Amino acid sequence: AQTVTQSQPEMSVQEAETVTLSCTYDTSESDYYLFWYKQPPSRQMILVIRQEAYKQQNATENRFSVNFQKAAKSFSLKISDSQLGDAAMYFCAYSGFGNEKLTFGTGTRLTIIP
Amino acid sequence: GAVVSQHPSRVICKSGTSVKIECRSLDFQATTMFWYRQFPKQSLMLMATSNEGSKATYEQGVEKDKFLINHASLTLSTLTVTSAHPEDSSFYICSARETEYSNQPQHFGDGTRLSIL
Repeated sequence: AQTVTQSQPEMSVQEAETVTLSCTYDTSESDYYLFWYKQPPSRQMILVIRQEAYKQQNATENRFSVNFQKAAKSFSLKISDSQLGDAAMYFCAYSGFGNEKLTFGTGTRLTIIP
Repeated sequence: GAVVSQHPSRVICKSGTSVKIECRSLDFQATTMFWYRQFPKQSLMLMATSNEGSKATYEQGVEKDKFLINHASLTLSTLTVTSAHPEDSSFYICSARETEYSNQPQHFGDGTRLSIL
C-alpha cells in the first residue's frame, strides 16, 4: 500500500520569507500523481498544486512550486513571499494511475509570523 | 469553476437520529465522489468512493449499513449516518472528481461538522 509521510507537524515562517514543506511517499508504481492541498481554519480543502510523475519539470503556481525528486520519492512544496493568508494545514497527497483514491499525509501546520 | 457544495455545514442532533449530508457539484458533472472523515488535528480518512449509478466502495473498517451512500446523479451524492451515536461526531468532507481518472484533482466541499448529543 502507498504511504505518504510529512515529517514536519508544524512549521513557521516570517511574512515575505520562503518556506519549504517536505513530503515523501512510498510506491512501487511508475505512473502516479502528487498533490498539495491547503486546509485553512475554515476547514475547506483547497488544491494548491499538482504534479504528474511522468513529467520531469517541477510544477509551479505563482508563489507555490514543488521540488519533485522521483528517484528519492520526495515531493516538497516551496512557498515564496509568504503571506498571512498562507497560514493553514498543508496536506501532501498521492494518487495512483487510473481510478485511484487519494492517500493523504498527516499534514503540516504552517504559521506565518507578521 | 469546479465548485462543490456540501450541506448542511453544521448538525447537532440527539443520539439515535439519522442524519443526511448532501454533496453537490455545482458547475461540473462528477463521475466519482468521495466521502472523508476528519478527526480534530488529524488527516482525512477516506470512508468510501462512489461512482454515479453504482454501489459505493467502502474502505476497510467502515460500516456500510451505518454510513449509507447514494450517488444517484452526476451532480449529487448523499451520506446518511444512520442511528447516529456520540462516537459518530466528527467532521465529514466530500469531494468530487470530473472524471474517473486520477489525473484530475478532487474538489472538496466545505465540510459538515456533526455533533451527536
